[in-house]
Amino acid sequence: GAVVSQHPSRVICKSGTSVKIECRSLDFQATTMFWYRQFPKQSLMLMATSNEGSKATYEQGVEKDKFLINHASLTLSTLTVTSAHPEDSSFYICSASYTSGGAYTQYFGPGTRLTVL
Amino acid sequence: GQQLNQSPQSMFIQEGEDVSMNCTSSSIFNTWLWYKQDPGEGPVLLIALYKAGELTSNGRLTAQFGITRKDSFLNISASIPSDVGIYFCAGSTGANSKLTFGKGITLSVRP
Repeated sequence: GAVVSQHPSRVICKSGTSVKIECRSLDFQATTMFWYRQFPKQSLMLMATSNEGSKATYEQGVEKDKFLINHASLTLSTLTVTSAHPEDSSFYICSASYTSGGAYTQYFGPGTRLTVL
Repeated sequence: GQQLNQSPQSMFIQEGEDVSMNCTSSSIFNTWLWYKQDPGEGPVLLIALYKAGELTSNGRLTAQFGITRKDSFLNISASIPSDVGIYFCAGSTGANSKLTFGKGITLSVRP
């Protein structure tokens, strides 16, 4: 149980296009999901917290108009990179909050490799 | 933002050896999590700790939640080649809160 999927796993796009990444909790409901990006040989950098039915909370320095987040249901959050540029190329990972019997954890998706040409 | 302290950045061990990784913080956490990440993949949860002093095992892995709630360690016994990867510790202050991560330790296992 507690599986999180991401789609697509890999995407290559031209500069100026928009790319949507989906994050789904497959066997549990997640009121909160998180979006990270990770550069090579670095730790995960939190971009935003996605709350079901409300606006996302962005970390300092992350442009909310550039990285649009929608959390329309308890099992789906989407990240749209608008007008992507080569510097947006990165590994994007989502996680979903999971609470059971008072114990809290986060499960991560497999990541999406974005390459902007 | 705050980051947990994990060092060294890389560890090299011989297959069959035990290895211990430490994670420290300047502030208190209510939950400590240990993840392993393989190249090109998302982090996979190894062990979750919820109570100060708690010692939890998962196969060859053992982790402890420090008494002060400011540290945790992960021990891998009898290492095997597939233990290679990056090990991250993460702390949480409560349900649905964001995680604070360490920089990760890259483990290499020599056959």
